[in-house]
Amino acid sequence: EIVMTQSPATLSVSPGERATLSCRASQSVSSNLAWYQQKPGQAPRLLIYGASTRATGIPARFSGSGSGTEFTLTISSLQSEDFAVYYCQQYNNWPSLTFGGGTKVEIK
Amino acid sequence: QVQLVESGGGLVKPGGSLRLSCAASGFTFSDYYMSWIRQAPGKGLEWVSYISSSGSTIYYADSVKGRFTISRDNAKNSLYLQMNSLRAEDTAVYYCARLPSYFDYWGQGTLVTVSS
Repeated sequence: EIVMTQSPATLSVSPGERATLSCRASQSVSSNLAWYQQKPGQAPRLLIYGASTRATGIPARFSGSGSGTEFTLTISSLQSEDFAVYYCQQYNNWPSLTFGGGTKVEIK
Repeated sequence: QVQLVESGGGLVKPGGSLRLSCAASGFTFSDYYMSWIRQAPGKGLEWVSYISSSGSTIYYADSVKGRFTISRDNAKNSLYLQMNSLRAEDTAVYYCARLPSYFDYWGQGTLVTVSS
């Protein structure tokens, strides 16, 4: 099973600042990586797939990069609605589809 | 628009059974793999199971293998999860999700609580 490790566990950021979240895979997942956003009491929402492609309706301030084992989600200028938990997930190693432990982005 | 609506959650005793349903609309259900994902209280996301568009291919996480059964009815645009021999550690919100390769649409979830 591929283990996905996210860092940091919590990120404190001021509104308007940039946030950089990391995700590392225990072995290569090529570009088969997705990012999700989850707000309290809500279901996760797909942000990024293919490591860098924004899902439908996702603002341009969200960007993804990386391939192989190292990935980054960047939020260029944090808005109030962006404070949430973010998960990465690999879909290279079927049938086991694994998630990272999440990064909570909180208001500084 | 794509909609996924789960139902069937509730309180069940350890060793008991429960059947979850997911009603899909807004897309051609029979064209897509579907999946169940769960989230224990205050914890992260855990993939549970998925089923191919025709139902011929099914996989489970090791944590539920032999106890849970996923199925679908394409005529009714519905996905199911039969959960048997439930344990306290199965307590979670259960989400159904569409699975083109990643999970692109999610339902709102249904809470399953396993407790005596």
